[in-house]
Amino acid sequence: EVLLQQSGAELVRPGSSVKISCKASGYTFTDYYMHWVKQRPEQGLVWIGRINPANGNTVYAEKFKSKATLTADKSSNTAYMQLSSLTSEDTATYFCTRSVYWGQGVMVTVSS
Amino acid sequence: DIVLTQAPLSVSVTPGESASISCRSSKSLLSSKGITSLYWYLQRPGKSPQLLIYQMSNLASGVPDRFSSSGSETDFTLKISKVETEDVGVYYCGHRLEYPWTFGGGTKLELK
Repeated sequence: EVLLQQSGAELVRPGSSVKISCKASGYTFTDYYMHWVKQRPEQGLVWIGRINPANGNTVYAEKFKSKATLTADKSSNTAYMQLSSLTSEDTATYFCTRSVYWGQGVMVTVSS
Repeated sequence: DIVLTQAPLSVSVTPGESASISCRSSKSLLSSKGITSLYWYLQRPGKSPQLLIYQMSNLASGVPDRFSSSGSETDFTLKISKVETEDVGVYYCGHRLEYPWTFGGGTKLELK
């Protein structure tokens, strides 16, 4: 069974960074791209970017090029997303997704 | 970026009746491989999005055949026949033709 298990909710200060994880199981981690999607409260879905876990190659949406950094650890089958210089605009739920399969989402709250 | 416009914003349906949701793309979603890169998702309240339809008209695994989708290169319709309680949520169309992936704004389905 394919599972994408994401890390827990985060409460972070404005201006700081946060790194969230997505641990994959039930398939060969390096065979599929991992995508990340943002959803602000009561808002729609926004694609952030994707990583190829096999070689670390990344593609970002333009508006996230300075905000998000995607990495992957083949030894632990885990994808990561680091968000930097956090503001209230970054308060959202962040999902990792392997096409059909989605993680449960990580709620990141930016507040002082 | 490709813009996907959904209508209506919300729909209220009597259980057992049908519902239709439209999605219009600002660009043809027909790929050079002859695949129409249009996807439909359902996000139930408090849950992660679930893939319903891939490549315009193919039912994802485990999705009941009450769901169907059709369209052209730029105009698409999701039809839900015999609506059930479990169909309540927000429906999104999305494309994977090119990066960045984008999504429609969502259509909220409620029961009367």
